[in-house]
Amino acid sequence: DVKVTQSSRYLVKRTGEKVFLECVQDMDHENMFWYRQDPGLGLRLIYFSYDVKMKEKGDIPEGYSVSREKKERFSLILESASTNQTSMYLCASSFRDLVLNTEAFFGQGTRLTVV
Amino acid sequence: DAKTTQPTSMDCAEGRAANLPCNHSTISGNEYVYWYRQIHSQGPQYIIHGLKNNETNEMASLIITEDRKSSTLILPHATLRDTAVYYCIAGGYQKVTFGIGTKLQVIP
Repeated sequence: DVKVTQSSRYLVKRTGEKVFLECVQDMDHENMFWYRQDPGLGLRLIYFSYDVKMKEKGDIPEGYSVSREKKERFSLILESASTNQTSMYLCASSFRDLVLNTEAFFGQGTRLTVV
Repeated sequence: DAKTTQPTSMDCAEGRAANLPCNHSTISGNEYVYWYRQIHSQGPQYIIHGLKNNETNEMASLIITEDRKSSTLILPHATLRDTAVYYCIAGGYQKVTFGIGTKLQVIP
């Protein structure tokens, strides 16, 4: 069974803390994505990566950075957490195809609360 | 990626076909139409995708108009487990951008 695993289901952090959200996939996918989901705003793309050590900004990258040192792992970093980063964070992965986006598989999400 | 427009919410009677529309009038020639759904408290799940021809799989059918400016996702016999938010995405290579989606409520 294909799997995208996010390290935590729920997380509470203090304002100003450095926060790491980890995502691991076991499908040998090239592409990996980080989204945040907020009520009324749907899923918004933060960053994505199409290869090891490669990253591209999504629609809302401000306040975030990412790391992709190994193919199976994609980390989202909040350098200095703020209350407006309280959200559900979703990781996804997919095969890279030169013509179209292939099916993306999602993790269960991490609900982050910044207090 | 092309912008998509979907109704905010829809109801469907259990056992009936659910027809979910999506407008993507700015879609370009090499952009595909994808549908995902998200059941409460879970990550989104892929349903189907297409370019210009109609597509069918075990979950749903996708009807794309000839001018490709709109499409309809059809769940042929909706069940209570199909209650979810459905996302229509028009995009191309690599980047997958979601909108707000349509909240489908299947009613007993």
